[in-house]
Amino acid sequence: NAGVTQTPKFRILKIGQSMTLQCTQDMNHNYMYWYRQDPGMGLKLIYYSVGAGITDKGEVPNGYNVSRSTTEDFPLRLELAAPSQTSVYFCATLSGGAGFEQFFGPGTRLTVL
Amino acid sequence: QKEVEQDPGPLSVPEGAIVSLNCTYSNSAFQYFMWYRQYSRKGPELLMYTYSSGNKEDGRFTAQVDKSSKYISLFIRDSQPSDSATYLCAMRRTGNQFYFGTGTSLTVIP
Repeated sequence: NAGVTQTPKFRILKIGQSMTLQCTQDMNHNYMYWYRQDPGMGLKLIYYSVGAGITDKGEVPNGYNVSRSTTEDFPLRLELAAPSQTSVYFCATLSGGAGFEQFFGPGTRLTVL
Repeated sequence: QKEVEQDPGPLSVPEGAIVSLNCTYSNSAFQYFMWYRQYSRKGPELLMYTYSSGNKEDGRFTAQVDKSSKYISLFIRDSQPSDSATYLCAMRRTGNQFYFGTGTSLTVIP
């Protein structure tokens, strides 16, 4: 089992460009999360989903969009990229509402210039 | 005030030392307390979790929760160079969101 996979691993964007960060899991977990991690700032929740068709905002959703059409996939869309979105993005899963162990992907390093 | 506070370090110790990592929190509704370990350029991995006040031990690692003081700790005994990583505390109350500390960078020097 691959667990949680994220693509791409690295990306450089120009200001104003758009892109989609992909996240796929094969653990059949209902809950999925997107975080960003900036140096010295910990993990900030962008969006999360408790199942296909259901998404909700986290702490820092502005500038991002998500969709959840299947259990396996939870893409994160950046529209009109800005330098403030330069960060490392992590996708994570959780088996269910009573769980506490999140499984993280390897991350996507994004630079916006 | 941040909901979860963690000293970012960095912390540098000699091999074999006892390491103490700490977090404080402001919301008494937090029920689940976790420690994640993150190696450089990798995703975090769950190291330990606790639910109630008290101690939980797993090998060289001990997690401690003091709900009355809103304070959690992770102790690493006989630290090894392979323990060099960033350690993040995380907490959860009712609901689907997790709240992370900023992480403490630890280096164990051989």
